[in-house]
Amino acid sequence: DQQVKQNSPSLSVQEGRISILNCDYTNSMFDYFLWYKKYPAEGPTFLISISSIKDKNEDGRFTVFLNKSAKHLSLHIVPSQPGDSAVYFCAASEGSGNTGKLIFGQGTTLQVKP
Amino acid sequence: GAGVSQTPSNKVTEKGKYVELRCDPISGHTALYWYRQSLGQGPEFLIYFQGTGAADDSGLPNDRFFAVRPEGSVSTLKIQRTERGDSAVYLCASSSGNSPLHFGNGTRLTVT
Repeated sequence: DQQVKQNSPSLSVQEGRISILNCDYTNSMFDYFLWYKKYPAEGPTFLISISSIKDKNEDGRFTVFLNKSAKHLSLHIVPSQPGDSAVYFCAASEGSGNTGKLIFGQGTTLQVKP
Repeated sequence: GAGVSQTPSNKVTEKGKYVELRCDPISGHTALYWYRQSLGQGPEFLIYFQGTGAADDSGLPNDRFFAVRPEGSVSTLKIQRTERGDSAVYLCASSSGNSPLHFGNGTRLTVT
């Protein structure tokens, strides 16, 4: 039973265009969501997060949108750069004082072409 | 060091053997987590330490898996009687308070 799903295994975009990565979840108790980025042979690195009391959080080129009624969140990267090519993981937490116990999606591999 | 350090980076062992994987968290981080990532999947939670004690070990798959953190810093994940299905990348992460997790580069375990 996959509680966090990233249905697109891969995405390819042209440099300078927008990248949109999607994530769906099933557990209505999730109250904190994060995106991690992973390069080959490295551990995931934190990118951006959003609390369930918000519907948008922006940090530079990265914006996360949360639609609680649809149990859906998305990560927008604009403009996309070749260095953004990596695997992106969506993750969720039930909080309960422990925001480090995360449930991850399967990941989406983003390729940004020069 | 500046980041979470995991050793070894790669470990190949035979089925049935015992292995230990080590994690050195960021200095001062009281919370330490172990995750396991199988091919094509996202990381899966195994165990969480707050200080020296295991606060949540609900993700450990069975009693062959055990982890310790005796002095509240370095942690060791121990796997007994390894099976081929244990092959995965084992990730360690640490955090301070409710800050996001900082992951190490992982140990790639291969059981032959």
